Amino acid sequence: SYVLTQSPSVSVAPGKTARITCGGNNIGSKSVHWYQQKPGQAPVLVIFYDSDRPSGIPERFSGSNSGSTATLTITRVEAGDEADYYCQVWGTSGDRPGVFGGGTKLTVL
Amino acid sequence: QVTLKESGPVLVKPTETLTLTCTVSGFSLSKARMGVSWIRQPPGKALEWLAHIFSNDEKSYSTSLKSRLTISKDTSKSQVVLTMTNMDFVDTATYYCARVPEWLDAFDIWGQGTMVTVSS
Repeated sequence: SYVLTQSPSVSVAPGKTARITCGGNNIGSKSVHWYQQKPGQAPVLVIFYDSDRPSGIPERFSGSNSGSTATLTITRVEAGDEADYYCQVWGTSGDRPGVFGGGTKLTVL
Repeated sequence: QVTLKESGPVLVKPTETLTLTCTVSGFSLSKARMGVSWIRQPPGKALEWLAHIFSNDEKSYSTSLKSRLTISKDTSKSQVVLTMTNMDFVDTATYYCARVPEWLDAFDIWGQGTMVTVSS
């Protein structure tokens, strides 16, 4: 089955840029979606199709995907961005199962 | 306004069957190209996708849990139902349903989640 690998944690100072990566075999050939989850809340879609933002998501959130790594970039990080971030793709085996990464905890210092 | 709301038992015993219901509003399950998935999250752990039902009633299941899961929908009630057999302590989790517009291919709207504890 397809595996997505995320670093467990990323720390960044307010106003700086955070980069959260998601590794997978030839992930650049897949569409990657990113979700933000704050404590006690359901996840929220922040990036779809590698780099598109849903309405209401700040332009500070962007995404890229190439080769074996997809990246979620958050510029001008704010305290309110502190959350867990998950990448997600759909697998290519028969049932086309959903696959999530293990999640990255973003800490704003 | 599009909403999804999960409902079901808070507590189940080991070996029992869990039945969860996702009631949707603001969109139709019979509408073309609109699907719903179930996803769970054990306390302090990552999200795990479980099952998906497409607008044409095709179903997709987690490979590791396929033998225990059944997903179905009742469009007249605007409900998607997930059953999971032979519950175990490790199935303790918050269970979410989420909408997947097939042109978007992502979980764009999530329910609030329902916590299910497996305990004897």
